[in-house]
Amino acid sequence: AQSVTQPDIHITVSEGASLELRCNYSYGATPYLFWYVQSPGQGLQLLLKYFSGDTLVQGIKGFEAEFKRSQSSFNLRKPSVHWSDAAEYFCAVGAAEYGNKLVFGAGTILRVKS
Amino acid sequence: DGGITQSPKYLFRKEGQNVTLSCEQNLNHDAMYWYRQDPGQGLRLIYYSQIVNDFQKGDIAEGYSVSREKKESFPLTVTSAQKNPTAFYLCASSTTGIQYFGAGTRLSVL
Repeated sequence: AQSVTQPDIHITVSEGASLELRCNYSYGATPYLFWYVQSPGQGLQLLLKYFSGDTLVQGIKGFEAEFKRSQSSFNLRKPSVHWSDAAEYFCAVGAAEYGNKLVFGAGTILRVKS
Repeated sequence: DGGITQSPKYLFRKEGQNVTLSCEQNLNHDAMYWYRQDPGQGLRLIYYSQIVNDFQKGDIAEGYSVSREKKESFPLTVTSAQKNPTAFYLCASSTTGIQYFGAGTRLSVL
């Protein structure tokens, strides 16, 4: 069965510090991988996506993620966190073989301290 | 502006009542999805439709129903059979494998 694991429920970082959010997946097909961000009471906004090609992908708001097939991981990084980055972050996996349905992780809540 | 519109933003359901959540998109996307979000559980797929007049059950379809009579619209009905309907409901549409989300509807039980 397809699954996505985000091991950290909450992460707190200081403003200006670097950030890494972990995502591991189990999937029976060649996956598409996504990171979304959600502010309280809002919908999800796409941060970045990986379909194929270069395994280091750049997204909006200064975020990047690296696909590591051998580790089944797609970790999200940002070199310097801003207070406005405080939100919940979701990793998701899909594949054309499964009708492009997405499987989501449980989310990681990011708190930024000043 | 192109986008996905969900209404209402807040909805209250009485015992035994069916309620319908609206989802409209003007992105010309073929596929549309409904998710339920509960704290700490991520998003779970309720129903999805890849083309007009066709839809499939997701992982938690019991107590819900949908229709897809128009490309732009994919309403979700939460029936009285859904015993725990309190949640945040998100609609999405997709093209080329990327899903875009509406702002959500929060459903509570009176």
